[in-house]
Amino acid sequence: EPEVTQTPSHQVTQMGQEVILRCVPISNHLYFYWYRQILGQKVEFLVSFYNNEISEKSEIFDDQFSVERPDGSNFTLKIRSTKLEDSAMYFCASRRESYNEQFFGPGTRLTVL
Amino acid sequence: KQEVTQIPAALSVPEGENLVLNCSFTDSAIYNLQWFRQDPGKGLTSLLLIQSSQREQTSGRLNASLDKSSGRSTLYIAASQPGDSATYLCASIGGSNYKLTFGKGTLLTVNP
Repeated sequence: EPEVTQTPSHQVTQMGQEVILRCVPISNHLYFYWYRQILGQKVEFLVSFYNNEISEKSEIFDDQFSVERPDGSNFTLKIRSTKLEDSAMYFCASRRESYNEQFFGPGTRLTVL
Repeated sequence: KQEVTQIPAALSVPEGENLVLNCSFTDSAIYNLQWFRQDPGKGLTSLLLIQSSQREQTSGRLNASLDKSSGRSTLYIAASQPGDSATYLCASIGGSNYKLTFGKGTLLTVNP
């Protein structure tokens, strides 16, 4: 059964460094999402992406964040200059046209020191 | 803005007990309601998705109901087992981009 995959599973970085979190959505899916979960808190929506552009973003998704679909398979989340408060689990999700269930990847745990 | 609340925040039961987890949401204009399971430090496992036109959905020992008009959903777990111990999250699906809005979850502990 097709799955959403994410790499790396755990990323440790120093404050101020750039990180790129990678996701490979399910191959026939057209809508892509990033969510994050700070330890002990709710899973929060960050951004949705369709047709090579952002369709919606939350107030969390400021200028330090960007998303890209650099090729036909990958979907990336970049944080330009990480802060301590960016430490969280980041989940990628995708869905296909005309079906609103999202399928989630296993997550990337980001630790900012 | 959609707000999703889950009650109780934590629940501890003996093995074999039937239990109900509650979820409420403020904006009834949703497409679906979805229940997830999350083990400590792990990802999200989808359990059940209820379409807005449905009133309930069943999978094995799990039954989820949805009452859109009152903004409520319940997850019923029959004959609980220690392996059911996890955090259970509910999420509404709504808006033009079908984004999920999550509750904070109920931490379930099933004692042998």
